This record gives sequence, C-alpha cells and structure tokens, in this order.
Amino acid sequence: AQSVTQLGSHVSVSEGALVLLRCNYSSSVPPYLFWYVQYPNQGLQLLLKYTTGATLVKGINGFEAEFKKSETSFHLTKPSAHMSDAAEYFCAVSGSGGYQKVTFGTGTKLQVIP
Amino acid sequence: NAGVTQTPKFQVLKTGQSMTLQCAQDMNHNSMYWYRQDPGMGLRLIYYSASEGTTDKGEVPNGYNVSRLNKREFSLRLESAAPSQTSVYFCASSDITGTNTGELFFGEGSRLTVL
Repeated sequence: AQSVTQLGSHVSVSEGALVLLRCNYSSSVPPYLFWYVQYPNQGLQLLLKYTTGATLVKGINGFEAEFKKSETSFHLTKPSAHMSDAAEYFCAVSGSGGYQKVTFGTGTKLQVIP
Repeated sequence: NAGVTQTPKFQVLKTGQSMTLQCAQDMNHNSMYWYRQDPGMGLRLIYYSASEGTTDKGEVPNGYNVSRLNKREFSLRLESAAPSQTSVYFCASSDITGTNTGELFFGEGSRLTVL
C-alpha cells in the first residue's frame, strides 16, 4: 500500500521568495517519487523524479527536491519564485522495480504575488 | 511528436447517455491509464492497463468500462452517465525501460459535464 500527503492545498509566495511545497509519502517497498506540475487547462508534466542514487534531484525550471527516507519526505523547493511558477503541483509515489501503480497527492496550488 | 492524444476535449451529456473517451499514444509505451481529476481530490485512478491485453480496476472504477484496443489505444466508456461523473479525465502512458522509470506522460484532458 502507498499514499501521499501534501501539506497545504494553497501556498502563496512573493515573487523572488523561496518556494517550499511539502510532500510526505508512505510505501511498503522502496519508492519512486515524482513531482508533476499542471498549468491551467493543461495536462500534468513531469517536473522531477527520484528513483535511486543521489537524494537531491534537480528538475526543470530551477526546482529541486530532496528524498529523506528517515522523514519519508520529498519536499519541492525553488530558491526564487517567478510569476510563471504559478500552477498546481502534485507529488506522486510508485513502487520500484517493474510495473507499479502511481498514487498522487491532492495537489498544492502555488500563487506568486508580484 | 504527438505523445498522448485524447478526444474529445469537451463533452456535455445528459444523465443516462453513454459516451466513449478515446486515447492514443505514439511512444510505444506498455502501460496506459485513465484518471479523473476533481477539485481538492487530486488524480484518482479509474482503470489501468499494465500491458496490451490486460486491464485492471483502479480506485474509482464504478460506472466505467475500458478497452485496450491495441498497444496504442485505450478507451474509457461511460455506459449511463451520472452527474457524479462530471470531471476532467486524463489519459496517461508509461513504461519502465531505459530512462523511463515509470513517469507518466499525460494527455491534455477531456472535460466532461453531465447534466
């Protein structure tokens, strides 16, 4: 069984401020972890992923996330928010090895204030 | 490269009507999925097909049927639409080969309203 909890359905930051979106997961097997971004009226696209190896992963548009096994967390950060970062962000988990279903969190809408 | 293509993009139905959402992918992926997205609930898996010839229920399969027509195509059918099925539907595909470690590739969505 696996699940994802995203803390905060809405987050507001000022342009240029740090972005921190929180994600905690549970998984009975070593997880693969993902962050997806959804812009209005579009499908989801992959922002970054953790599979194995380095626990700090870098993605597109300056985002990064750190896998912390002891805290079962995979928080998403960006040092300086840009207006174009306004979107909904989804954390997701799947099991590793072979075919595994993907479970999504409920999403966090990021608002960037000029 | 088209990726994942869904049709139609918008549809309005009356309660009790039936319809089929079509999905096709051109990435030679083995696995395909149908999700629904509702405000505050994230994405919930309706049905998935791990490989051609197989389909399985996800979290919320009631009121839906699917067909994996071939490796490229995966359709979702509503036999008797209900207002509770008003949602945005996403088709996705994935594979576990090379650098594709299970990440999902999504279509642009189909917005369905049931009156």
